[in-house]
Amino acid sequence: QKEVEQDPGPLSVPEGAIVSLNCTYSNSAFQYFMWYRQYSRKGPELLMYTYSSGNKEDGRFTAQVDKSSKYISLFIRDSQPSDSATYLCAMNNAGGTSYGKLTFGQGTILTVHP
Amino acid sequence: GAVVSQHPSWVICKSGTSVKIECRSLDFQATTMFWYRQFPKQSLMLMATSNEGSKATYEQGVEKDKFLINHASLTLSTLTVTSAHPEDSSFYICSADPLGGADGYTFGSGTRLTVV
Repeated sequence: QKEVEQDPGPLSVPEGAIVSLNCTYSNSAFQYFMWYRQYSRKGPELLMYTYSSGNKEDGRFTAQVDKSSKYISLFIRDSQPSDSATYLCAMNNAGGTSYGKLTFGQGTILTVHP
Repeated sequence: GAVVSQHPSWVICKSGTSVKIECRSLDFQATTMFWYRQFPKQSLMLMATSNEGSKATYEQGVEKDKFLINHASLTLSTLTVTSAHPEDSSFYICSADPLGGADGYTFGSGTRLTVV
């Protein structure tokens, strides 16, 4: 079993739709959770970073963490064609020898069509 | 915001030659940088942790003699793929942590290596 599971999709939605992306994880030591957006042939771009259960909102993006269920989500409101990309969840431990060692999900390919 | 610059963005080399990839933190100092590898339609896998002024720490299964890492300054880490072979063709990405873990990790734009 992979430490982080993410449905690879692909996911296709119409412009303006609300998108829900999800990851589950098995390692209870994970404390920090991130969502990255990656366009083709580019490096990942950090969208959201959170370390506590609950919701965090930034513009059209909302990150949700439920540590008791080991489940994280990213919601995109009013999706735009420019949101079409691969979305990666990532997480890591609190520090020490695990510092910087991000474990990524497989990534979900999202297409928003006009 | 914090910027990590990676160069070159793509490179083609002949089998048996070596290729150097540079990763620079442009507006912050990075005592630690990270090198990842990504195969097509797959996720990122951490290869090694680059430490300024000391040896890199490699993940299990990564050949340290093949993937040489040098972190000679607080703003530059280099990854050299030695004696490259076609199976080394991949997307290599570096990252750094501007705020000591307080706000996520910033990634470079990646280097697409093709070995022919």
